[in-house]
Amino acid sequence: EAQVTQNPRYLITVTGKKLTVTCSQNMNHEYMSWYRQDPGLGLRQIYYSMNVEVTDKGDVPEGYKVSRKEKRNFPLILESPSPNQTSLYFCASSMGTGGITGELFFGEGSRLTVL
Amino acid sequence: GESVGLHLPTLSVQEGDNSIINCAYSNSASDYFIWYKQESGKGPQFIIDIRSNMDKRQGQRVTVLLNKTVKHLSLQIAATQPGDSAVYFCAEILSGNTGKLIFGQGTTLQVKP
Repeated sequence: EAQVTQNPRYLITVTGKKLTVTCSQNMNHEYMSWYRQDPGLGLRQIYYSMNVEVTDKGDVPEGYKVSRKEKRNFPLILESPSPNQTSLYFCASSMGTGGITGELFFGEGSRLTVL
Repeated sequence: GESVGLHLPTLSVQEGDNSIINCAYSNSASDYFIWYKQESGKGPQFIIDIRSNMDKRQGQRVTVLLNKTVKHLSLQIAATQPGDSAVYFCAEILSGNTGKLIFGQGTTLQVKP
């Protein structure tokens, strides 16, 4: 089954404790990206990756890191989480070598709470 | 049912009626637009897309209209069903930066039986 898988789905952590949210897709997609969703602010792009070893900032990259060492995985790293990073996070992927083309497949989301 | 103005947070329609969800996009340099549907507790799901060289595109029960002059996008859903109840987002992609996706605020569609 074609899917984008995120882990963990739910996490409660404390300020400053490094964490990684993993994202994996099994569709051989070139493009992957991360978003956060907050009430009243909608979905905002954090980082995206056009291909392996190619990443770029979205609209809200501060406090986040990403890496794209292999095509299927695109982890989101919070080196020192803060309460303002409490949010619902989505990973997504799309086929196409030039960025987003056609359907963008989203994962089920990871709800992160930073105390 | 039809939303008034460029954007309404919630649109309530009767089952079987047609729905029209509006979206104002922000950048005249955007050349690719996508509509997504997000059901409660799930990730967004692709509905339909349109490129700036088109004014209209039809899918199954859905139609997207693009008015570049006023930077306006609309999604029409024919014969709205209870399963259409969700939040609908439009998104735009800038010409020359095909990796960066900008979402609108979203409209909640409520379908009354």
